[in-house]
Amino acid sequence: ELKVEQNPLFLSMQEGKNYTIYCNYSTTSDRLYWYRQDPGKSLESLFVLLSNGAVKQEGRLMASLDTKARLSTLHITAAVHDLSATYFCAAFRNSGGSNYKLTFGKGTLLTVNP
Amino acid sequence: GAVVSQHPSRVICKSGTSVKIECRSLDFQATTMFWYRQFPKQSLMLMATSNEGSKATYEQGVEKDKFLINHASLTLSTLTVTSAHPEDSSFYICSAPGTGFSYEQYFGPGTRLTVT
Repeated sequence: ELKVEQNPLFLSMQEGKNYTIYCNYSTTSDRLYWYRQDPGKSLESLFVLLSNGAVKQEGRLMASLDTKARLSTLHITAAVHDLSATYFCAAFRNSGGSNYKLTFGKGTLLTVNP
Repeated sequence: GAVVSQHPSRVICKSGTSVKIECRSLDFQATTMFWYRQFPKQSLMLMATSNEGSKATYEQGVEKDKFLINHASLTLSTLTVTSAHPEDSSFYICSAPGTGFSYEQYFGPGTRLTVT
């Protein structure tokens, strides 16, 4: 069974600082997703990482994937208040044919303080 | 990008009644859709995989007779919570995979169910 662990679960940052959220998964995964969720809202897609060494950047967020270490990171650069949200990683596993699913981490509640 | 809609966005029902939630892919076809449940301050938990033209696949611990799923067409899946109880109150979110080489998973806006 694929398990996904995120840490930290809670992150309080000051504006302008950098930090990294880690996402470990237990077995081989075909791809890794990062999502943002604002309170009371659904998920907003941030990144899809498809292969080992993949790195994607959008604004102050950068995600990377190391399939050998079964680790993905979401790096936040020079945080701003608007980045305050809950961030989820999710690992994709295809068990064969049309049998596939996403397994989510517990989420990281990020609060960026002035 | 592709859009997935859900209806209703919020619903309040009395204990013992049934509630139907619709999930539609608006501009693409989805042979598979996923239903998740999210309790406050928790992560998303996959409830079931909805397959067009065949039975849904339920995750362990999810009662198939309580959470009825019907994938009637390539753009519509419905989740019916039967005999709802207060513990079924939750945020229900559906998703559908993108087509071709998109690899995206498109999430609906969610349905907030409150059972009184």
